Amino acid sequence: GAVVSQHPSRVICKSGTSVKIECRSLDFQATTMFWYRQFPKKSLMLMATSNEGSKATYEQGVEKDKFLINHASLTLSTLTVTSAHPEDSSFYICSAGRTREGNEQFFGPGTRLTVL
Amino acid sequence: AQSVSQHNHHVILSEAASLELGCNYSYGGTVNLFWYVQYPGQHLQLLLKYFSGDPLVKGIKGFEAEFIKSKFSFNLRKPSVQWSDTAEYFCAVRVSGGYQKVTFGTGTKLQVIP
Repeated sequence: GAVVSQHPSRVICKSGTSVKIECRSLDFQATTMFWYRQFPKKSLMLMATSNEGSKATYEQGVEKDKFLINHASLTLSTLTVTSAHPEDSSFYICSAGRTREGNEQFFGPGTRLTVL
Repeated sequence: AQSVSQHNHHVILSEAASLELGCNYSYGGTVNLFWYVQYPGQHLQLLLKYFSGDPLVKGIKGFEAEFIKSKFSFNLRKPSVQWSDTAEYFCAVRVSGGYQKVTFGTGTKLQVIP
């Protein structure tokens, strides 16, 4: 099956620092990847759609300068949380689409970010 | 824009009880529908999906869902739950065609008591 990995799985940082989260499709090429944020006891909120070789499309209310997304290759997308603050603490999940599976999205295991 | 509502936020069942989780979506066009499960400490996994054809869809682990277009519903069912089904269940909808974004419901936490 299609596997999507995320690194790191858990990160703790100080307020004001930047954190990079990687999302990789391990056994397939993904022209499109998605970044979600999951709040405690709430649903997944789509933050942005990342297309290889072009700028990401951000959802309304998501600060593009704060959440930098780079889709450098067909197997790698990165999310950088710049100047992180405690309110950015959350669970960040990426997904990647695979055409062979009828455009089904496969989800990564998520990254728990804690900003102190 | 599409939206998804899940009516049950927290469901508690005894083992062997039957399960039905409600899901309604709003969108006037053709959609793809999904149910995902998130076991404690694990990532999201696809339970089943509906793209077209038979509106009764069978998924993994004995789950099934029925798409009722007139009711904009895609309820998840299982005739007899097990303790291992304890998890959070998310209904999701996507506008049909291409790599469209998936919109998730707020989730239903299922707790199965042995």
